[in-house]
Amino acid sequence: AQSVTQLDSQVPVFEEAPVELRCNYSSSVSVYLFWYVQYPNQGLQLLLKYLSGSTLVKGINGFEAEFNKSQTSFHLRKPSVHISDTAEYFCAVSESNTGNQFYFGTGTSLTVIP
Amino acid sequence: NAGVTQTPKFQVLKTGQSMTLQCAQDMNHEYMSWYRQDPGMGLRLIHYSVGAGITDQGEVPNGYNVSRSTTEDFPLRLLSAAPSQTSVYFCASRNGRTYEQYFGPGTRLTVT
Repeated sequence: AQSVTQLDSQVPVFEEAPVELRCNYSSSVSVYLFWYVQYPNQGLQLLLKYLSGSTLVKGINGFEAEFNKSQTSFHLRKPSVHISDTAEYFCAVSESNTGNQFYFGTGTSLTVIP
Repeated sequence: NAGVTQTPKFQVLKTGQSMTLQCAQDMNHEYMSWYRQDPGMGLRLIHYSVGAGITDQGEVPNGYNVSRSTTEDFPLRLLSAAPSQTSVYFCASRNGRTYEQYFGPGTRLTVT
């Protein structure tokens, strides 16, 4: 089974500052990678995904992530955060040969400070 | 187009009771899944289905049953509720081509 590690459980950052949320996964096989956002008392919403091609992927709300195969990482970045970005962020991995099981990290709570 | 719907939103059960969490999607997705979300543990896959009549176990299947008689519906059954099943349950469906998962709003279940 896969394991997905989000090392930072909580990340406080000032408004308009840059942020990076880290994600590492364990698989040695080809994978699909995802970042989801969860606002309080809501379901998860897809921010961005990597299936193949360019290792830098852009998503909604100004977020981007870079796939690094050698480091088995998929870190999420935003150059300037807003108060509305305060939420829980989850990294997820699926093995590309089946794509049927998704493995989620434990989440990173991003708090944007005015 | 409602996406993924779940009922009920909240439920309180006593230990030993059974119930069914309902999930429906109107996007004609073949793949559907159930997750539970617990504090500090992220989402864990309970069961999934790749089409009507086909289901399989995820990471944490014990105590739960599923069936998939139609493309639209994927109910989750708790056979004999236990306090350890207190959690928030999310249903999701996935686009087979883009791999994007769409999540329902969740069911918050408390077992006393």
